[in-house]
Amino acid sequence: NAGVTQTPKFRILKIGQSMTLQCTQDMNHNYMYWYRQDPGMGLKLIYYSVGAGITDKGEVPNGYNVSRSTTEDFPLRLELAAPSQTSVYFCASSYGALQETQYFGPGTRLLVL
Amino acid sequence: RKEVEQDPGPFNVPEGATVAFNCTYSNSASQSFFWYRQDCRKEPKLLMSVYSSGNEDGRFTAQLNRASQYISLLIRDSKLSDSATYLCVVPSPGNTDKLIFGTGTRLQVFP
Repeated sequence: NAGVTQTPKFRILKIGQSMTLQCTQDMNHNYMYWYRQDPGMGLKLIYYSVGAGITDKGEVPNGYNVSRSTTEDFPLRLELAAPSQTSVYFCASSYGALQETQYFGPGTRLLVL
Repeated sequence: RKEVEQDPGPFNVPEGATVAFNCTYSNSASQSFFWYRQDCRKEPKLLMSVYSSGNEDGRFTAQLNRASQYISLLIRDSKLSDSATYLCVVPSPGNTDKLIFGTGTRLQVFP
């Protein structure tokens, strides 16, 4: 199993550009999450999904969109990138919610200039 | 009180030392807690789950104090490889689908 994979590893965007961060898991997990982590800060939940076709907002959803058309994929879309979106983005998945381990991808480092 | 709060450290300890971190949480109804480890520039990985009074795994012991609403992580016989940031994770109040991650406690073990 590859676990949770994310692409790209690193990206530089100009202000106003858009991009999609890809996340795929091969563990047949129902739950998937997108977090951002700013330097010296905790992980902040952006969006999450409890199954294909179901998504919901986390703490910091503004400026982002997600979709979950399959169990495996959970892409995160940034529209009109802003410097405040410079961060490390982690995708995670778990079989269930509270009692289950969240498995994280290696992260995508995004720099918006 | 914040949903989850940790001392950011850093805790600088020599090899072989015993070190303990505390984490306080606000949701008294929480039943499950987690400690994740995050190495520099890497993703978080689960270290331990804490469901009742505590949990032990080798050199690592996690304890839960419900009355005072804190969990602790004790590391005995510290190794250089234990150097990392330790994240305290608690359930989100009112939403069982989400977890709240603390900002982490940084541990640096020196020779």
